[in-house]
Amino acid sequence: AQKITQTQPGMFVQEKEAVTLDCTYDTSDPSYGLFWYKQPSSGEMIFLIYQGSYDQQNATEGRYSLNFQKARKSANLVISASQLGDSAMYFCAMRETGSNYQLIWGAGTKLIIKP
Amino acid sequence: SQTIHQWPATLVQPVGSPLSLECTVEGTSNPNLYWYRQAAGRGLQLLFYSVGIGQISSEVPQNLSASRPQDRQFILSSKKLLLSDSGFYLCAWSGGLSLGAQYFGPGTRLLVL
Repeated sequence: AQKITQTQPGMFVQEKEAVTLDCTYDTSDPSYGLFWYKQPSSGEMIFLIYQGSYDQQNATEGRYSLNFQKARKSANLVISASQLGDSAMYFCAMRETGSNYQLIWGAGTKLIIKP
Repeated sequence: SQTIHQWPATLVQPVGSPLSLECTVEGTSNPNLYWYRQAAGRGLQLLFYSVGIGQISSEVPQNLSASRPQDRQFILSSKKLLLSDSGFYLCAWSGGLSLGAQYFGPGTRLLVL
């Protein structure tokens, strides 16, 4: 079974609108971390935001926030006031203590911001 | 602050030729190091990881090998490249056995002809 599911292969969003990228995960480990990465066309994988399974509050980093719903096992990335430079692939990933701390990756969502 | 370097940025190699990709990390000690491959339009596939000098774990059987001769140096090699080795290779580091993030280098685009 897929451990990380990103159901949106591609999204088009108008500039300045907010966008939500979906991510659901599957784990029986009580201690885990959830991550979002951005990969622009240059290829570099850029770490955006982290949410720990025991964190009480949703993580935020500038225009990025993580909508963490533990009971639903979802960790959606919200980008506020989207910009043309946000166009990229976005990957959700999870790290479990039970998987020797390796990152488990989703298939990614290609986000295109329209001017 | 920590930085991670990879070279070369781009490489075109004939089938059957050897390969050596290098990755170095600065500003941290005893990092976990990782090699990933990404096919065009696909997600990341973990190839190797290392928790210390000389300690290499392979995730998938393949034509590639990895070595860690120094604490902050990770090398990906092949004796004879195959067409299927083409792809985008990313090196990453993380801070040991924790749930923290992995941080990636700029990557190497390898085209085997």
